[in-house]
Amino acid sequence: DGGITQSPKYLFRKEGQNVTLSCEQNLNHDAMYWYRQDPGQGLRLIYYSQIVNDFQKGDIAEGYSVSREKKESFPLTVTSAQKNPTAFYLCASSIPGSALRAFFGQGTRLTVV
Amino acid sequence: DQQVKQNSPSLSVQEGRISILNCDYTNSMFDYFLWYKKYPAEGPTFLISISSIKDKNEDGRFTVFLNKSAKHLSLHIVPSQPGDSAVYFCAASAYRGAQKLVFGQGTRLTINP
Repeated sequence: DGGITQSPKYLFRKEGQNVTLSCEQNLNHDAMYWYRQDPGQGLRLIYYSQIVNDFQKGDIAEGYSVSREKKESFPLTVTSAQKNPTAFYLCASSIPGSALRAFFGQGTRLTVV
Repeated sequence: DQQVKQNSPSLSVQEGRISILNCDYTNSMFDYFLWYKKYPAEGPTFLISISSIKDKNEDGRFTVFLNKSAKHLSLHIVPSQPGDSAVYFCAASAYRGAQKLVFGQGTRLTINP
């Protein structure tokens, strides 16, 4: 089955610790994205990558970092510099083009205590 | 700067009636629009899309209308069913420029029996 896998589904971390969220896709998509969802807000773009070894900041990149060493993988690190890290994180992938349509993973709920 | 806006946080509709969800955008470069449906603690799933060269796209019970002059699109669901209860996100992208989806805040649709 082709799809996007995010792990873990729930994650708890102590304040001040860095944490890395995993995202893997086997759809052979070139582009991958990280979004964050907070209650009452839409999906806000953190980082995106159009191709391996290249990525761009989204609207709320501060306190986050990413890497794109493989086409299939786009891990997101939430650093201690992120002031409000508790949120629902969504990874997505797509084929770049005029009819951009993203496929999403099931999300990771990160709670920082 | 909210480029895609869904001004109704919630909507309640009787089962069997029509549900109309609205979305406004400000960026005239957007040329492709999508609607996603999201259940709690899950990733959004694609519902329907429309290109800016069209003003209507239909798929079963779902129809999306695009009014480019007003920078407005709407999603019609007829007839509404209990399983349609979810949060609906409007999203937009521009072929020229950064290949990314910009999302609205979402509208929570509740279908009452």
